[in-house]
Amino acid sequence: NAGVTQTPKFQVLKTGQSMTLQCAQDMNHEYMSWYRQDPGMGLRLIHYSVGAGITDQGEVPNGYNVSRSTTEDFPLRLLSAAPSQTSVYFCASYPLGTVSYGYTFGSGTRLTVV
Amino acid sequence: DAKTTQPNSMESNEEEPVHLPCNHSTISGTDYIHWYRQLPSQGPEYVIHGLTSNVNNRMASLAIAEDRKSSTLILHRATLRDAAVYYCILRIAHSGGSNYKLTFGKGTLLTVNP
Repeated sequence: NAGVTQTPKFQVLKTGQSMTLQCAQDMNHEYMSWYRQDPGMGLRLIHYSVGAGITDQGEVPNGYNVSRSTTEDFPLRLLSAAPSQTSVYFCASYPLGTVSYGYTFGSGTRLTVV
Repeated sequence: DAKTTQPNSMESNEEEPVHLPCNHSTISGTDYIHWYRQLPSQGPEYVIHGLTSNVNNRMASLAIAEDRKSSTLILHRATLRDAAVYYCILRIAHSGGSNYKLTFGKGTLLTVNP
């Protein structure tokens, strides 16, 4: 199993540009989520989803959109990038209906907005 | 959300045991105690979790106080590869979208000396 795959690994955007960060998992996990991590900080939740067609906001959702059309994929969209969105973004997944497992994280996308 | 308190940093020597403490005095009866670690430039990695009883796996042991207001992650023989930020997180066991989120603090930076 590949686990959680994030693409791209690195990206530089100009202010105002849009882009989509991709997240895919092959473990059939219902729950998927996006976090951002700023230097010296812990991770903060942006958006999450408990299944296809269901998404909700986390702690810092402004400036980001998500959708969940399949169980496997949970893309994060930046409609108009701002320098404040310079960060490392992590995607995580989890199987619902159990407490026996930990969350699985991707290796991250490092985004710089200039 | 119930919060956790961890020391900002700890230091250990290679081949020695490491005890990483976590206080969670406001924990509720349904909160699971999760531990994750984040190696430099990587995504968080699940280490271990528990509810009331001590837990062991191939990576570490988790000792939970009888009143559940604190816990300790034990690395039995630290290696250089264990140098990371360790996060202690409470995860609500109830079902429901927002209950699946993980709230990260700043964690404990573990330095392992050769």
